[in-house]
Amino acid sequence: KAGVTQTPRYLIKTRGQQVTLSCSPISGHRSVSWYQQTPGQGLQFLFEYFSETQRNKGNFPGRFSGRQFSNSRSEMNVSTLELGDSALYLCASSLDNYYEQYFGPGTRLTVT
Amino acid sequence: SQQGEEDPQALSIQEGENATMNCSYKTSINNLQWYRQNSGRGLVHLILIRSNEREKHSGRLRVTLDTSKKSSSLLITASRAADTASYFCATGSGSARQLTFGSGTQLTVLP
Repeated sequence: KAGVTQTPRYLIKTRGQQVTLSCSPISGHRSVSWYQQTPGQGLQFLFEYFSETQRNKGNFPGRFSGRQFSNSRSEMNVSTLELGDSALYLCASSLDNYYEQYFGPGTRLTVT
Repeated sequence: SQQGEEDPQALSIQEGENATMNCSYKTSINNLQWYRQNSGRGLVHLILIRSNEREKHSGRLRVTLDTSKKSSSLLITASRAADTASYFCATGSGSARQLTFGSGTQLTVLP
Protein backbone atom coordinates (compact mmCIF):
# COMPACT_ATOMS: atom_id res chain seq x y z
CA LYS A 1 0.00 0.00 0.00
CA ALA A 2 1.20 3.49 -0.74
CA GLY A 3 1.93 5.62 2.31
CA VAL A 4 0.59 9.03 3.21
CA THR A 5 1.61 11.64 0.68
CA GLN A 6 1.83 15.36 1.18
CA THR A 7 2.24 18.10 -1.38
CA PRO A 8 4.09 20.29 -1.77
CA ARG A 9 7.13 19.17 0.21
CA TYR A 10 8.61 22.65 0.47
CA LEU A 11 6.99 26.05 0.27
CA ILE A 12 8.20 29.60 0.70
CA LYS A 13 5.63 32.33 1.24
CA THR A 14 5.68 35.94 2.38
CA ARG A 15 3.81 37.41 5.32
CA GLY A 16 0.18 38.14 4.63
CA GLN A 17 -0.19 35.50 1.92
CA GLN A 18 -2.23 32.36 2.26
CA VAL A 19 -1.24 28.77 1.63
CA THR A 20 -2.97 25.45 0.98
CA LEU A 21 -1.35 22.13 1.83
CA SER A 22 -2.60 18.79 0.60
CA CYS A 23 -2.60 15.32 2.13
CA SER A 24 -3.58 11.98 0.62
CA PRO A 25 -4.11 9.30 3.27
CA ILE A 26 -3.40 5.60 3.02
CA SER A 27 -6.09 3.86 1.01
CA GLY A 28 -8.92 2.82 3.32
CA HIS A 29 -8.04 5.27 6.07
CA ARG A 30 -10.87 7.64 6.81
CA SER A 31 -9.32 9.70 9.58
CA VAL A 32 -6.84 12.45 8.75
CA SER A 33 -5.08 14.59 11.34
CA TRP A 34 -2.80 17.58 10.93
CA TYR A 35 0.08 18.59 13.19
CA GLN A 36 2.44 21.53 13.30
CA GLN A 37 6.05 20.97 14.34
CA THR A 38 8.35 23.82 15.36
CA PRO A 39 11.60 23.85 17.34
CA GLY A 40 10.02 25.99 20.05
CA GLN A 41 6.60 24.38 20.50
CA GLY A 42 7.31 20.87 19.32
CA LEU A 43 4.52 18.81 17.79
CA GLN A 44 1.09 20.32 18.18
CA PHE A 45 -2.28 18.99 17.04
CA LEU A 46 -4.14 21.19 14.58
CA PHE A 47 -7.31 19.27 13.68
CA GLU A 48 -8.73 15.90 12.73
CA TYR A 49 -11.21 15.02 10.02
CA PHE A 50 -13.30 11.92 9.58
CA SER A 51 -15.80 11.39 6.76
CA GLU A 52 -15.54 15.02 5.71
CA THR A 53 -16.34 16.28 9.22
CA GLN A 54 -13.97 18.03 11.58
CA ARG A 55 -14.12 16.03 14.81
CA ASN A 56 -11.41 17.71 16.81
CA LYS A 57 -9.57 20.99 16.74
CA GLY A 58 -6.44 22.07 18.54
CA ASN A 59 -5.70 25.43 20.06
CA PHE A 60 -4.86 27.38 16.91
CA PRO A 61 -6.32 30.64 15.61
CA GLY A 62 -9.06 30.70 13.01
CA ARG A 63 -6.49 31.47 10.32
CA PHE A 64 -5.85 27.73 10.30
CA SER A 65 -8.60 25.76 8.62
CA GLY A 66 -9.02 22.50 6.83
CA ARG A 67 -11.36 20.25 4.99
CA GLN A 68 -11.69 16.67 3.87
CA PHE A 69 -13.08 15.41 0.61
CA SER A 70 -15.23 12.37 -0.08
CA ASN A 71 -12.15 10.36 -1.10
CA SER A 72 -10.60 11.17 2.33
CA ARG A 73 -7.99 13.49 0.88
CA SER A 74 -7.54 16.53 3.05
CA GLU A 75 -6.32 20.07 2.69
CA MET A 76 -5.33 22.62 5.26
CA ASN A 77 -5.27 26.33 4.66
CA VAL A 78 -3.45 29.06 6.51
CA SER A 79 -4.52 32.60 5.74
CA THR A 80 -2.69 35.84 6.48
CA LEU A 81 0.60 34.08 7.09
CA GLU A 82 2.82 35.19 9.95
CA LEU A 83 6.51 34.55 10.46
CA GLY A 84 5.63 32.23 13.34
CA ASP A 85 3.74 29.95 10.97
CA SER A 86 7.06 28.70 9.61
CA ALA A 87 7.04 25.03 10.50
CA LEU A 88 6.90 21.46 9.34
CA TYR A 89 3.25 20.54 8.78
CA LEU A 90 2.56 16.86 9.17
CA CYS A 91 -0.46 14.93 8.08
CA ALA A 92 -1.37 11.55 9.54
CA SER A 93 -4.02 9.01 8.66
CA SER A 94 -5.51 6.13 10.60
CA LEU A 95 -8.16 3.44 10.34
CA ASP A 96 -11.51 4.06 11.90
CA ASN A 97 -11.07 2.00 15.03
CA TYR A 98 -7.31 2.11 15.50
CA TYR A 99 -5.18 4.67 17.25
CA GLU A 100 -1.94 4.16 15.40
CA GLN A 101 -1.33 7.02 13.05
CA TYR A 102 0.70 6.91 9.87
CA PHE A 103 2.49 10.10 9.02
CA GLY A 104 3.39 11.64 5.71
CA PRO A 105 6.81 13.21 5.05
CA GLY A 106 5.53 16.69 5.86
CA THR A 107 5.44 20.05 4.14
CA ARG A 108 8.18 22.47 5.16
CA LEU A 109 6.65 25.97 5.12
CA THR A 110 8.90 29.00 5.38
CA VAL A 111 7.32 32.43 5.80
CA THR A 112 9.55 35.40 5.02
CA SER B 1 0.54 22.48 24.50
CA GLN B 2 2.55 19.34 25.15
CA GLN B 3 1.26 16.62 27.42
CA GLY B 4 4.51 15.96 29.13
CA GLU B 5 8.22 15.74 29.03
CA GLU B 6 10.74 13.22 27.86
CA ASP B 7 13.95 12.43 29.57
CA PRO B 8 16.73 12.71 28.65
CA GLN B 9 16.49 15.39 25.98
CA ALA B 10 19.56 13.93 24.30
CA LEU B 11 21.28 10.57 24.60
CA SER B 12 24.49 9.42 22.99
CA ILE B 13 25.54 5.76 23.15
CA GLN B 14 27.81 3.27 21.38
CA GLU B 15 26.48 0.75 18.91
CA GLY B 16 25.42 -2.43 20.69
CA GLU B 17 24.47 -0.68 23.92
CA ASN B 18 20.92 -0.34 25.17
CA ALA B 19 19.08 2.99 25.10
CA THR B 20 16.38 3.94 27.57
CA MET B 21 14.10 6.92 27.19
CA ASN B 22 11.46 8.05 29.63
CA CYS B 23 8.22 9.89 29.15
CA SER B 24 5.94 11.53 31.69
CA TYR B 25 2.45 12.78 31.05
CA LYS B 26 -0.14 14.75 32.95
CA THR B 27 -3.67 13.49 32.33
CA SER B 28 -5.42 10.14 32.16
CA ILE B 29 -4.92 8.30 28.90
CA ASN B 30 -6.34 5.50 26.79
CA ASN B 31 -3.02 4.60 25.27
CA LEU B 32 0.54 5.75 24.89
CA GLN B 33 2.50 5.50 21.67
CA TRP B 34 6.11 5.90 20.67
CA TYR B 35 7.22 7.37 17.37
CA ARG B 36 10.56 7.86 15.69
CA GLN B 37 11.50 10.80 13.49
CA ASN B 38 14.57 10.96 11.31
CA SER B 39 16.01 14.41 10.73
CA GLY B 40 12.88 16.52 10.25
CA ARG B 41 10.96 13.95 8.26
CA GLY B 42 7.64 12.30 9.00
CA LEU B 43 7.10 10.25 12.12
CA VAL B 44 7.13 6.48 12.10
CA HIS B 45 4.90 4.60 14.53
CA LEU B 46 6.89 2.18 16.69
CA ILE B 47 4.59 0.73 19.32
CA LEU B 48 1.33 1.36 21.15
CA ILE B 49 0.59 0.34 24.72
CA ARG B 50 -2.90 0.56 26.14
CA SER B 51 -3.66 1.95 29.56
CA ASN B 52 -4.48 -1.51 30.94
CA GLU B 53 -1.13 -2.95 29.79
CA ARG B 54 2.09 -2.70 31.75
CA GLU B 55 4.66 -3.93 29.26
CA LYS B 56 4.89 -4.60 25.55
CA HIS B 57 7.59 -5.89 23.26
CA SER B 58 8.22 -5.48 19.56
CA GLY B 59 11.50 -6.75 18.17
CA ARG B 60 14.28 -4.85 19.92
CA LEU B 61 11.79 -2.48 21.56
CA ARG B 62 10.37 -2.83 25.04
CA VAL B 63 7.85 -0.36 26.40
CA THR B 64 6.58 -0.12 29.95
CA LEU B 65 3.71 1.93 31.26
CA ASP B 66 3.01 2.95 34.84
CA THR B 67 -0.31 4.76 34.94
CA SER B 68 -0.03 5.41 38.68
CA LYS B 69 3.12 7.42 38.05
CA LYS B 70 1.93 8.68 34.67
CA SER B 71 5.14 7.56 33.06
CA SER B 72 6.44 5.28 30.34
CA SER B 73 9.82 4.10 29.20
CA LEU B 74 11.13 2.91 25.85
CA LEU B 75 14.07 0.53 25.80
CA ILE B 76 15.94 -0.14 22.58
CA THR B 77 18.26 -3.11 22.94
CA ALA B 78 21.44 -3.72 20.98
CA SER B 79 21.24 -0.32 19.33
CA ARG B 80 22.46 0.31 15.79
CA ALA B 81 23.66 3.45 14.02
CA ALA B 82 20.39 3.36 12.06
CA ASP B 83 18.51 3.92 15.33
CA THR B 84 19.86 7.48 15.43
CA ALA B 85 16.73 9.65 15.43
CA SER B 86 14.38 11.62 17.64
CA TYR B 87 11.95 9.57 19.67
CA PHE B 88 8.62 10.93 20.81
CA CYS B 89 5.99 9.60 23.14
CA ALA B 90 2.40 10.52 22.40
CA THR B 91 -0.70 10.01 24.47
CA GLY B 92 -4.16 9.33 23.19
CA SER B 93 -7.25 10.23 25.20
CA GLY B 94 -10.88 9.50 24.53
CA SER B 95 -12.04 8.30 21.17
CA ALA B 96 -10.45 11.13 19.23
CA ARG B 97 -7.40 10.60 17.07
CA GLN B 98 -5.75 13.52 18.78
CA LEU B 99 -2.27 12.73 19.94
CA THR B 100 -0.45 14.89 22.45
CA PHE B 101 3.28 14.62 21.97
CA GLY B 102 6.16 14.87 24.36
CA SER B 103 9.19 17.01 23.69
CA GLY B 104 11.26 14.16 22.33
CA THR B 105 14.62 12.52 22.99
CA GLN B 106 17.40 12.88 20.43
CA LEU B 107 19.22 9.54 20.31
CA THR B 108 22.63 9.30 18.69
CA VAL B 109 24.15 5.87 18.24
CA LEU B 110 27.86 6.03 17.49
CA PRO B 111 29.36 3.30 15.28
